[in-house]
Amino acid sequence: AQSVAQPEDQVNVAEGNPLTVKCTYSVSGNPYLFWYVQYPNRGLQFLLKYITGDNLVKGSYGFEAEFNKSQTSFHLKKPSALVSDSALYFCAVRDRGWPSNTGKLIFGQGTTLQVKP
Amino acid sequence: DAGVTQSPTHLIKTRGQQVTLRCSPKSGHDTVSWYQQALGQGPQFIFQYYEEEERQRGNFPDRFSGHQFPNYSSELNVNALLLGDSALYLCASSPPTGRDTQYFGPGTRLTVL
Repeated sequence: AQSVAQPEDQVNVAEGNPLTVKCTYSVSGNPYLFWYVQYPNRGLQFLLKYITGDNLVKGSYGFEAEFNKSQTSFHLKKPSALVSDSALYFCAVRDRGWPSNTGKLIFGQGTTLQVKP
Repeated sequence: DAGVTQSPTHLIKTRGQQVTLRCSPKSGHDTVSWYQQALGQGPQFIFQYYEEEERQRGNFPDRFSGHQFPNYSSELNVNALLLGDSALYLCASSPPTGRDTQYFGPGTRLTVL
């Protein structure tokens, strides 16, 4: 069964410092991987995805993620954190359904990012 | 361009009642998925609709049902509500091309008393 793990419930970082939010996955075949962010009482906002190609994926708001097949990881990173980045972050893997526009997302439990001034 | 919209924003029901939640996908999107997010948890997949048919279903009981209309909008119905159905219900849509990204609406907060 496909699954996603986010080993940290919370990550604390000072503003201006680099941040990393960890994600590991377990899938059969090549994965489709996603990061979403959720602000309080809001829906999920898409940040970035890995489908194929370059292992370093760039997304919205200066975020990027590195796909590592050997370690089955897809960690979210940002070189310089902002207080406004404080939110709940979800990693997800997409089940490859058929037709190709179907397929559920399987989410991790989420990691709360706290950026302090 | 309006994103995914959901109504209502909040809803309070009592046990045993029935509820209908609504979702309008982004313009040009034809696939709608529904997720349940309990407090402190990641979203859990309920089902997905494409071409007005349920294409995939998660591990939810038959009390959860849905529908997709010709204009691609969708409804989620929950019968015989239980306290454990209290959650944020999220709708996501995806386009016929670039099919891999699902875009989420703001959600409907359902409270069952």
